[in-house]
Amino acid sequence: GIQVEQSPPDLILQEGANSTLRCNFSDSVNNLQWFHQNPWGQLINLFYIPSGTKQNGRLSATTVATERYSLLYISSSQTTDSGVYFCAVRASGSARQLTFGSGTQLTVLP
Amino acid sequence: NAGVTQTPKFRILKIGQSMTLQCTQDMNHNYMYWYRQDPGMGLKLIYYSVGAGITDKGEVPNGYNVSRSTTEDFPLRLELAAPSQTSVYFCASSQQGPLAGANEQFFGPGTRLTVL
Repeated sequence: GIQVEQSPPDLILQEGANSTLRCNFSDSVNNLQWFHQNPWGQLINLFYIPSGTKQNGRLSATTVATERYSLLYISSSQTTDSGVYFCAVRASGSARQLTFGSGTQLTVLP
Repeated sequence: NAGVTQTPKFRILKIGQSMTLQCTQDMNHNYMYWYRQDPGMGLKLIYYSVGAGITDKGEVPNGYNVSRSTTEDFPLRLELAAPSQTSVYFCASSQQGPLAGANEQFFGPGTRLTVL
C-alpha cells in the first residue's frame, strides 16, 4: 500500500516563530488532507489539498503531486497551535480510506 | 449542521463484554468510515461504507462488525472486547464525487475506549 512519511517527528518552537512540516508519499494520490489533532484529541480539518497551494490565515499548504510531497507552513506560531499535525492521503484508483502518516508533534512555548 | 457526531465519548469495558459505538452524520454524505487510533500513531481504517446497505473491510477489521441501514448512521459493534481494542475510535464521512473537494473526509470527535 501507499506509504506516508512525515518530518520532523517532533518540533519545539518559541511563540512567534515560523515552521514548515513535510509529508512525502510513495504513490499518486487523489486526496491529501492536513489535520491538526489538538490536546483534547479532536481532529481539525486544516486543508484538503491534493495539488496546488492554499492559504488560511497564518497557515498555508502546498502539494506538488508530481514530486509526491506536501508542505504545511505555520507562520507566527501561537501556543494554541500545539498538538499533532497529520498528513493523510488516498491513493489514486485504489482503496477508499485515507492513509495517515505518523504525525509531527508540535510544541509552541510562550 | 452538527457534522459527524459520536456517542459515547468515553467507555470502559471488561474483557468479553460487547458494545456498539454510534456514529451519525447530517451532511447527506454517501461514504462513511470507522478508524482507530492507538497511542502515538496515525489512524487506521476498520470498516467503511459507500452507501446504505453496503459495507466493506478496511485495514484492521478483526473483532468488529458494522451495518449501514440508513445514509445517516454507521454503528460499529464490538462483540467480545479484548485489551487490544483499547483505542480511540473515530468516525468520518465524505461525499465522493467528481466535484473538487468532494472527497474531503470530515471526522467526529472520537470515542475513547478502554478494555480491562
